[in-house]
Amino acid sequence: ETGVTQTPRHLVMGMTNKKSLKCEQHLGHNAMYWYKQSAKKPLELMFVYSLEERVENNSVPSRFSPECPNSSHLFLHLHTLQPEDSALYLCASSQDRLAGLYNEQFFGPGTRLTVL
Amino acid sequence: GQQLNQSPQSMFIQEGEDVSMNCTSSSIFNTWLWYKQDPGEGPVLLIALYKAGELTSNGRLTAQFGITRKDSFLNISASIPSDVGIYFCAGEGNTGKLIFGQGTTLQVKP
Repeated sequence: ETGVTQTPRHLVMGMTNKKSLKCEQHLGHNAMYWYKQSAKKPLELMFVYSLEERVENNSVPSRFSPECPNSSHLFLHLHTLQPEDSALYLCASSQDRLAGLYNEQFFGPGTRLTVL
Repeated sequence: GQQLNQSPQSMFIQEGEDVSMNCTSSSIFNTWLWYKQDPGEGPVLLIALYKAGELTSNGRLTAQFGITRKDSFLNISASIPSDVGIYFCAGEGNTGKLIFGQGTTLQVKP
């Protein structure tokens, strides 16, 4: 596998369920990100991890809980979600967190989440 | 905070036509990126721009970093059906955050 992979690609869950999204990057990057993509809206940055440490949490509700056990893996744990949380959840990685040359973010294919 | 205004929101064109889309910001960016997203996939980086005035091509795609550092455009020449998708601009300023535009949905009629 190369690049950034995400599993599952599709997930349907009830509001009382607990599930996890997984992201893996094979690029040797140090920073990983979770984004939420809703229809007709710009990508919303949720969390940023740099060298396995959470460096940014953009006012995301606590029903979303990220975990970064190592620099290659990133999880998003979900519990008691709401229907408005239905969206495409994208993982990305970059060489470093800080702005700079050639520090582009590479995205995974996303997990299409539907909350019933 | 920093925001991007991307236009047009959508375009429906004939195969072979040229396409132009742009992004503007009220604040300065240090990097401009253009991504394409196919249905059911994540965004894929097309072109990265790092210097004001920079003009960069990638096949039939050409993008420019505006001199004021507050805008960028993407041109696609001689469009083909596989150009269909959503194109996003993204800018990175001094905060280090990547700010995305709302996207331009492109449809190409064969």
